[in-house]
Amino acid sequence: EDQVTQSPEALRLQEGESSSLNCSYTVSGLRGLFWYRQDPGKGPEFLFTLYSAGEEKEKERLKATLTKKESFLHITAPKPEDSATYLCAVQPIKAAGNKLTFGGGTRVLVKP
Amino acid sequence: DGGITQSPKYLFRKEGQNVTLSCEQNLNHDAMYWYRQDPGQGLRLIYYSQIVNDFQKGDIAEGYSVSREKKESFPLTVTSAQKNPTAFYLCASSIGQITDTQYFGPGTRLTVL
Repeated sequence: EDQVTQSPEALRLQEGESSSLNCSYTVSGLRGLFWYRQDPGKGPEFLFTLYSAGEEKEKERLKATLTKKESFLHITAPKPEDSATYLCAVQPIKAAGNKLTFGGGTRVLVKP
Repeated sequence: DGGITQSPKYLFRKEGQNVTLSCEQNLNHDAMYWYRQDPGQGLRLIYYSQIVNDFQKGDIAEGYSVSREKKESFPLTVTSAQKNPTAFYLCASSIGQITDTQYFGPGTRLTVL
């Protein structure tokens, strides 16, 4: 069974304090791994797609990396506006209808 | 402005009632999806449609129904058979190709009174 586990569940950071979020996954074969940002009461906003181990993508203070078993989302020198829940999802090769399997998310709070 | 709209933003339902959640997209996407989000849990797929007039059950389809009569619209009906319908419902769409990105609407929060 495909599984995605995100850790930690919650993360409190001081502004400027860099950290990393983890997304561990178990799939029979990975087609793609997706990162989303979700603000309270809103829909997820797409951040990155990673396809193969060793791939990295960056956007402002965020950098996503991928290995064969996990992905990391690094937040460098975060600001209060980076506070959100970050969701990780995998798309298995055998996924019917391009289905995504999501992790439970990491809630990030950045204090000024 | 291209995007996905969901209405209403908040919906209250009495037990025993069916309610329909609206999802519209003007992105010209072929594929559309409905997910349910509960606190502390990952999004779970309810139904998906890859083409007009065709749809498939996801992981938690019991108590829900959908239709796809138009490319831009994918309404979800929460029936009285759904025993625990209080949740945040998210609609998404994608081009419909392999490994394409799913883009989400703003969501509808359904509460059963």
